[in-house]
Amino acid sequence: QSVLTQPPSVSGAPGQRVTISCTGSSSNIGAGYDVNWYQQFPGTAPKLLINGDNNRPSGVPDRFSGSKSGTSASLAITGLQAEDEADYYCQSYDSSLRGSNVFGTGTKVTVL
Amino acid sequence: QITLKESGPTLVKPTQTLTLTCAFSGFSLSTSGVGVGWIRQPPGKALEWLALIYWDDDKRYSPSLKSRLTITKDTSKNQVVLTMTNMDPVDTATYYCAHRPANTYSDTFDVWGQGTMVSVSS
Repeated sequence: QSVLTQPPSVSGAPGQRVTISCTGSSSNIGAGYDVNWYQQFPGTAPKLLINGDNNRPSGVPDRFSGSKSGTSASLAITGLQAEDEADYYCQSYDSSLRGSNVFGTGTKVTVL
Repeated sequence: QITLKESGPTLVKPTQTLTLTCAFSGFSLSTSGVGVGWIRQPPGKALEWLALIYWDDDKRYSPSLKSRLTITKDTSKNQVVLTMTNMDPVDTATYYCAHRPANTYSDTFDVWGQGTMVSVSS
């Protein structure tokens, strides 16, 4: 069972803004450890979308942004596009798990 | 260009040991800060981090699977091997290996292999 909790699904119309939350605790996000976000399309490997809380790797559109506050992090997609329909996962480090990385529970984004 | 590719059996029997190989190119696992991790994903479920080996041979494991996992590297062959003992049907999943870049403070997986599906059944 993951220690990073995400909503199972979020949806929005094209052009809208949606956010995905990633709720952790004082031993992971709340301790200041970096949060990364990954995008995954069905049948394919995950792709790094955001690293170090809010940095976009080269080639990632600027409509994707990350933020962090307290024990939670968020991924925002502004100007939602049909091609953004995918699963999204957060990932961080947890000091209570002896140097373990953890992934979130995952969120399915649906474009209406 | 960094690439990784997983290989191993597609079907194992319960109680058997699974051995997966990650063959990579485009980077060296002897470069300071670099690592290779393993992540799995059961059908229709979330990603689960399994293990990570660093350039200096430091190894980290998922606490819930630590007793069953072993990760090793062969720098000369550009390979990382993951073994998982006592396989069970709940271990049925797609197994991915991924590159951990040197220029990040925390563990980030910036390039992933295509994944290999492993089924556990008698």
